[in-house]
Amino acid sequence: DAKTTQPPSMDCAEGRAANLPCNHSTISGNEYVYWYRQIHSQGPQYIIHGLKNNETNEMASLIITEDRKSSTLILPHATLRDTAVYYCIVGSWGKLQFGAGTQVVVTP
Amino acid sequence: DTGVSQDPRHKITKRGQNVTFRCDPISEHNRLYWYRQTLGQGPEFLTYFQNEAQLEKSRLLSDRFSAERPKGSFSTLEIQRTEQGDSAMYLCASSSSFRVNEAFFGQGTRLTVV
Repeated sequence: DAKTTQPPSMDCAEGRAANLPCNHSTISGNEYVYWYRQIHSQGPQYIIHGLKNNETNEMASLIITEDRKSSTLILPHATLRDTAVYYCIVGSWGKLQFGAGTQVVVTP
Repeated sequence: DTGVSQDPRHKITKRGQNVTFRCDPISEHNRLYWYRQTLGQGPEFLTYFQNEAQLEKSRLLSDRFSAERPKGSFSTLEIQRTEQGDSAMYLCASSSSFRVNEAFFGQGTRLTVV
């Protein structure tokens, strides 16, 4: 079973920041938090990952709480092309256990 | 294009037939993964190779499924005696040892068993 809990869907206005929450209360000390997204009919795309510290790359920022039991993915300026299913995953060494994800719809 | 390549993109087969899918990972990636995704669900891990060694297999991978990576480059996934429940998208991903946490996925092979 997936180790994460995400809202099934959320909407975001184009140009605004999208904040995607994820709960992973059973995460163990050596497990990473990963975020992937899947645009319709395509394979999943890596976004970002982190262990303890907050991370930022050209696509997004990842904020992990101090107790590591939850995290938030931030898309700073959502565009229509960011409409996708976003998966929050905990695990290690690249073996990924996907849940159902959050369907994000970016609207004009 | 130097991404992960999967062939074929679509396959329709009759129940009971055997099918084989191919995955060509990114050339310098030594890790290769197979996943299966059914409609409305997230991908499910099937198996994982490091170079030519198959290091882990999910319980989802029944005896009818076999995966190989003979020279540590491309991989094949064979399903024998296909069943309607095998209908799904089969995804391949690869990663390098240096950036093991970043997996790159192919576009997948969509299998329909009729």
